[in-house]
Amino acid sequence: KAGVTQTPRYLIKTRGQQVTLSCSPISGHRSVSWYQQTPGQGLQFLFEYFSETQRNKGNFPGRFSGRQFSNSRSEMNVSTLELGDSALYLCASSRASFAGGYNEQFFGPGTRLTVL
Amino acid sequence: SQQGEEDPQALSIQEGENATMNCSYKTSINNLQWYRQNSGRGLVHLILIRSNEREKHSGRLRVTLDTSKKSSSLLITASRAADTASYFCATPHSGGGADGLTFGKGTHLIIQP
Repeated sequence: KAGVTQTPRYLIKTRGQQVTLSCSPISGHRSVSWYQQTPGQGLQFLFEYFSETQRNKGNFPGRFSGRQFSNSRSEMNVSTLELGDSALYLCASSRASFAGGYNEQFFGPGTRLTVL
Repeated sequence: SQQGEEDPQALSIQEGENATMNCSYKTSINNLQWYRQNSGRGLVHLILIRSNEREKHSGRLRVTLDTSKKSSSLLITASRAADTASYFCATPHSGGGADGLTFGKGTHLIIQP
């Protein structure tokens, strides 16, 4: 079974631009979560999508948005990029079919975003 | 904000030795998970322990959970060079539903050959 894939793997942008990252979950997984990882803040939860609906959102400004398509693929968009948005953006998929958070999350390799 | 906090932040041991990492968290949880990350790549799920479990094993991994102390430990026995990685504990974001995970800052483990 193919794992979670993320594209692109590396991206360089300048301040003020916007960026779109893509994530394809494992086949059959309907939940996709996004995380930002930086040396200073560590891993932080951005948001989760399930069946095309955003179910939960972390403490990030409105510049960070996402969506999920009917095939469970997800995109994350960051508008008006700031230097502090430089990070590794990780996507994770899970079955998310039961409560309690007992479902393990399968992570993709990440997209390394550098903002100049 | 960080829910889990790992200790130590970094650990260097000789190959073959055991490595122990600890995690403390703040709020009530129904499960706690451990993940491994190699050199800035994606995370790999290692083990999940539920709040009604005290200990769980998976191969060379042993995880304990003490809900009264709000702490967990991960023991890797007979370490190998390939175990060099960062290890994170994670708890469900909102304490229950199938939502995102809140991660600690991790323990960076180095296995010396």
